[in-house]
Amino acid sequence: GAGVSQTPSNKVTEKGKYVELRCDPISGHTALYWYRQSLGQGPEFLIYFQGTGAADDSGLPNDRFFAVRPEGSVSTLKIQRTERGDSAVYLCASSNPGLHYTFGSGTRLTVV
Amino acid sequence: GQQLNQSPQSMFIQEGEDVSMNCTSSSIFNTWLWYKQDPGEGPVLLIALYKAGELTSNGRLTAQFGITRKDSFLNISASIPSDVGIYFCAGQLEENTDKLIFGTGTRLQVFP
Repeated sequence: GAGVSQTPSNKVTEKGKYVELRCDPISGHTALYWYRQSLGQGPEFLIYFQGTGAADDSGLPNDRFFAVRPEGSVSTLKIQRTERGDSAVYLCASSNPGLHYTFGSGTRLTVV
Repeated sequence: GQQLNQSPQSMFIQEGEDVSMNCTSSSIFNTWLWYKQDPGEGPVLLIALYKAGELTSNGRLTAQFGITRKDSFLNISASIPSDVGIYFCAGQLEENTDKLIFGTGTRLQVFP
């Protein structure tokens, strides 16, 4: 597609539930990034994929968070046993080497 | 997570005025970037800076990479209503990673 697509755009879930957030990067982009943006803050790095492999997952806050990119294109961010503190906008971005990120519009996750 | 110190936190100005915002860090960065984020959207890249002392313009925007590599500023001249939004600085710490550290944001409001 023309841009980075993230679905759903909004997700409301109950505390303790499992959620999956999807990112469709720009076609052909090899790198994919997940960031989390809490209200009133800048985006914070979660994980970075180069192709199918996670090149840097140092930003994942704990083992409830996991992300995959099995075919080197679409990525899914998975959050288990959601907590109210997980409420934020989850941003995905993609790029090719030497090029800057293009961000998607994000998924706003609300845990009630 | 780590965030850069960005100031001011918010600005309320009249159309036609010039604006200046800056970003500081305790760490040395290899690249400084400035983004703008509109409500419900992901950040969009405005200017990228790659060398200490570099001064770069993009239309009414001018940004500089500080000599110490620990700071950057962004100026907007002759502001217009569509400049409204949140501006973020971001830095790349290491050359072998595309991971970015973002600032806390400057919210700009422009009154006609």
